[in-house]
Amino acid sequence: DFVMTQSPDSLAVSLGERATINCKSSQSVLYNFNNKNYLAWYQQKPGQPPRLLIYWASTRASGVPDRFRGSGSGTDFTLTINSLQAEDVAVYYCQRYYHSPPLTFGGGTKVEI
Amino acid sequence: EVQLVDSGGGLVQPGGSLRLSCVASGFIFSSYPMSWVRQAPGKGLEWVSIVSGSGETTYYADSVKGRFTISRDNTKNMLYMQMNSLRVEDTAVYFCAKGGQMATVMAPFDYWGQGTLVTVHS
Repeated sequence: DFVMTQSPDSLAVSLGERATINCKSSQSVLYNFNNKNYLAWYQQKPGQPPRLLIYWASTRASGVPDRFRGSGSGTDFTLTINSLQAEDVAVYYCQRYYHSPPLTFGGGTKVEI
Repeated sequence: EVQLVDSGGGLVQPGGSLRLSCVASGFIFSSYPMSWVRQAPGKGLEWVSIVSGSGETTYYADSVKGRFTISRDNTKNMLYMQMNSLRVEDTAVYFCAKGGQMATVMAPFDYWGQGTLVTVHS
């Protein structure tokens, strides 16, 4: 089975500081045919559905501020939130969408001020 | 504007059945795969099932395989999830979600419904 492991489970960051979230896949999500990493990041605020932030590991979705940055390749990925804002308090999830289902999510990382 | 409105949740006893619905608008429904994702109270996201744009291809998480059936009616822009033999551990908010790329299930979910709560309890 495919497993996505996020770390840490939670972190507290001061306003204006940087938050770093890690995601490790049990198998590579890099498709050699097109050299793309099939990895997405989502943000979920309390009482709301998730919102797509990043896809192809590093491409920001429409309307996502440029302080959100995705990086990594293969099995190891990072979501960085630069200059954390109060509205960034949320739970963040990574997800693999490579090759075929299951489209597994990581366990989530809670970001607090 | 893309909109997904899910409904059909409720309280059901273990072993019972429920049918979830999701009405879509603002995009060419038949061109995109659609999924159900659930979230147990206080827990993370769990992908449940996906159906191709045509409805011909479906996939399920092992946890629901054989009990849940995903389907769609492209003439009505509707997505469904028939849930049978429900268990206490199926208690969750169920979200419908739109695949972000046409004609492939290998895509992230770019739009989500607000979710509908299913409670399995005796």
